[in-house]
Amino acid sequence: QLQLQESGPGLVKPSETLSLTCSVSGGSISSSGYYWGWIRQTPGKGLEWMGIIYYSGRTYHNPSLKSRISMSVDTSKNQFSLKVDSVTAADTAVYYCARHTEYEVWSDPWGQGALVTVSS
Amino acid sequence: QSVLTQPPSASGTPGQRVTISCSGSSSNIERNYVHWYQQFPGTAPKLLIYNSDQRPSGVPDRFSGSKSGTSASLAISGLQSEDEADYYCAAWDDTLNGHMVFGGGTKLTVL
Repeated sequence: QLQLQESGPGLVKPSETLSLTCSVSGGSISSSGYYWGWIRQTPGKGLEWMGIIYYSGRTYHNPSLKSRISMSVDTSKNQFSLKVDSVTAADTAVYYCARHTEYEVWSDPWGQGALVTVSS
Repeated sequence: QSVLTQPPSASGTPGQRVTISCSGSSSNIERNYVHWYQQFPGTAPKLLIYNSDQRPSGVPDRFSGSKSGTSASLAISGLQSEDEADYYCAAWDDTLNGHMVFGGGTKLTVL
């Protein structure tokens, strides 16, 4: 069955770049019909959709984050990645990766999540 | 504030029927499917309802979804203690090149 796993530093300094990778197993990231995306959840708060990327590189972003985030896909490693520039304490969150269907855009499955703390 | 509006909390007693509302606009709920996610503390959200009223395999038929105009609802019948969780609605929004929007979440308490 398809599984996703986030990885990356758990601590990032303010003004630096947050980088996370999501490894996909049990299926190919190059499968047609699916986007691969990121959703975050600040402590005690709700979910914030960040963006999605197709294996071809086509992306959709949250307009409120677009200027600071970038996403990429590595089909050879069956992974996709997220970078968030110029982080502040407000970017402290649990970051989830998830597969999204291409047209209806529901998210399933999700990774277990990775806590990233922004602090000096 | 979230683009989709949900009540912050809901409650019911075992066996009751509870509904959670999700209000949006013509650019999201009215034009696109609504999806619902269930989240227990310390765990990742799980898809509960997709395409407004479809249940993934393994989700009990006590859970149902509906959509009308710019609003959607999640109904839970025969409430059980293990249903106590946070519930989020989500929909694609066609503005600004398109993006997904979430509701703020509803914490369901089983009394």
